[in-house]
Amino acid sequence: DPKIIQKPKYLVAVTGSEKILICEQYLGHNAMYWYRQSAKKPLEFMFSYSYQKLMDNQTASSRFQPQSSKKNHLDLQITALKPDDSATYFCASSQTGTGEVFFGKGTRLTVV
Amino acid sequence: AQSVTQPDARVTVSEGASLQLRCKYSYSGTPYLFWYVQYPRQGLQLLLKYYSGDPVVQGVNGFEAEFIKSNSSFHLRKASVHWSDSAVYFCAVSAGNNNNAPRFGAGTKLSVKP
Repeated sequence: DPKIIQKPKYLVAVTGSEKILICEQYLGHNAMYWYRQSAKKPLEFMFSYSYQKLMDNQTASSRFQPQSSKKNHLDLQITALKPDDSATYFCASSQTGTGEVFFGKGTRLTVV
Repeated sequence: AQSVTQPDARVTVSEGASLQLRCKYSYSGTPYLFWYVQYPRQGLQLLLKYYSGDPVVQGVNGFEAEFIKSNSSFHLRKASVHWSDSAVYFCAVSAGNNNNAPRFGAGTKLSVKP
């Protein structure tokens, strides 16, 4: 019974298009994160949110925009997609002070 | 900022042999340290964690790790590996508080030969 749900599981997009990756967590955590995994950079931290506020942003490009409509949601909007954006995007969450991060199963994005 | 180095991209051992996967971290404060495992086409699962106290921590499936502050290391060990241990192992470090997101090493791909 997955506690962190990512949708879709697989996604194929055309270069220049826009996509939204969905993430919902049912662990009651107050912090959520996005990571990206590709052959070039194995597991790269992108964003962290706490109580729906941006805490840390390590993504250089403004084409990546997290969106938090509810405490347990952290979607990732990606605009002007490029082939280099092809990767698996993992959503994760944790509870303040524990440091322990739980991961979803990922969304595998391919940009053609 | 914190960072992790996993110097071995690939490790191959025979089933039943002992295992050590190396991890060195860089962080000026007191770190929280983790080992995660990733099986093919899956997310990451926590194996074990260190916050404080006994520097040797036990994890799932017989894994353990030792925090050596003087060496900035947190190596993962297992006394006897099984073929099902074949996976990619990631070491991670965080500042621990204030929802500081863990930073991960590049991972070590473990292959266990039957």
